[in-house]
Amino acid sequence: GENVEQHPSTLSVQEGDSAVIKCTYSDSASNYFPWYKQELGKGPQLIIDIRSNVGEKKDQRIAVTLNKTAKHFSLHITETQPEDSAVYFCAALDYGGSQGNLIFGKGTKLSVKP
Amino acid sequence: AAGVIQSPRHLIKEKRETATLKCYPIPRHDTVYWYQQGPGQDPQFLISFYEKMQSDKGSIPDRFSAQQFSDYHSELNMSSLELGDSALYFCASSTGTGGHNEQFFGPGTRLTVL
Repeated sequence: GENVEQHPSTLSVQEGDSAVIKCTYSDSASNYFPWYKQELGKGPQLIIDIRSNVGEKKDQRIAVTLNKTAKHFSLHITETQPEDSAVYFCAALDYGGSQGNLIFGKGTKLSVKP
Repeated sequence: AAGVIQSPRHLIKEKRETATLKCYPIPRHDTVYWYQQGPGQDPQFLISFYEKMQSDKGSIPDRFSAQQFSDYHSELNMSSLELGDSALYFCASSTGTGGHNEQFFGPGTRLTVL
């Protein structure tokens, strides 16, 4: 089955700086990679995703890149703001079953200091 | 826009009791997923349903069961509760087959077993 590793586990940046979170996956059959933001006491919120037929996707201040050959994908947040502080999870879709389910990385706690 | 609804939001039970968690997916979503998230952990996939049939099964204990009803809402039934079952339980929903589409998470049910 799929295995996802995520680094770093914690990340502290100054407001306005960029933040980068990296993930690797093991199953070359995976073709869908979402990123979730989770604030304390709330459910994971889908912020961006990428499918294996593209190498990069951007939405305002956030972007995701995918390297299928190396089996890794990254989240880039530019011009960070204090409200970006949260735990970020990467995930990969595991097709072990019929519909597929998400396998998550261990999460990155991002702190943006004003 | 309508989101995934979960009830109750908080639940306190004693060991060996039973609990029922409910999930109402986003309208027109036909697939429901259940995840368990322990403190400081990533969400772990439990089980999923597509068109009222069980689709995939993850690390769901035999003490737990779930189903999806004709109106697409789903219930997770947990029996013989143990202290280790204390966690956040999330429901997510999506539309379409093959797990290609985005999974949107609900706010979660926080279960505390005393």
